[in-house]
Amino acid sequence: SQQGEEDPQALSIQEGENATMNCSYKTSINNLQWYRQNSGRGLVHLILIRSNEREKHSGRLRVTLDTSKKSSSLLITASRAADTASYFCATDGRGGGADGLTFGKGTHLIIQP
Amino acid sequence: KAGVTQTPRYLIKTRGQQVTLSCSPISGHRSVSWYQQTPGQGLQFLFEYFSETQRNKGNFPGRFSGRQFSNSRSEMNVSTLELGDSALYLCASRPTGYYTDTQYFGPGTRLTVL
Repeated sequence: SQQGEEDPQALSIQEGENATMNCSYKTSINNLQWYRQNSGRGLVHLILIRSNEREKHSGRLRVTLDTSKKSSSLLITASRAADTASYFCATDGRGGGADGLTFGKGTHLIIQP
Repeated sequence: KAGVTQTPRYLIKTRGQQVTLSCSPISGHRSVSWYQQTPGQGLQFLFEYFSETQRNKGNFPGRFSGRQFSNSRSEMNVSTLELGDSALYLCASRPTGYYTDTQYFGPGTRLTVL
């Protein structure tokens, strides 16, 4: 079953603008990860944030995590056409460290040139 | 390091047949997980193998099975294929399988069942 729910389902912005995607989840987690997928290909790992972290940066990416609200956000600054893709959040639940990732349905991001 | 590789990349089968997909993890990674991605159900966890043992399993019927070899390479098998098994099958590897490990995904095998 899907744990994470991304919001919005689709987002279209102009190149150079910032894109913000949100993710909500239901159960306690060990960590939360964001992935990118281009046109039904493999998933590219973007960033992992642990449950005891509140914010993490990687290049143009900024991820926040609020465990009290069971939510996370992914901010992509200064967007580029190459950022057009689907973005998924995935949670690694508190199951002894051996549970599979639970994915949301994703946000489809379109960057207009 | 080479990334996760999956073979074949595309596969067409007919209902009732069986299929075997292969995954080679990143060198040194001992955990391999399999996921199914469909437009309707999204990404769903199938199972995880660590040191040749299935450590965890998602909610899929027994037609879906897998195994892992001593070199950490993994195969998954689907028997008696159904139309609904058409999907992108993704394999992911990580060093130990501990929750702090990042999972790295392969390009996937796109299976079409006719």
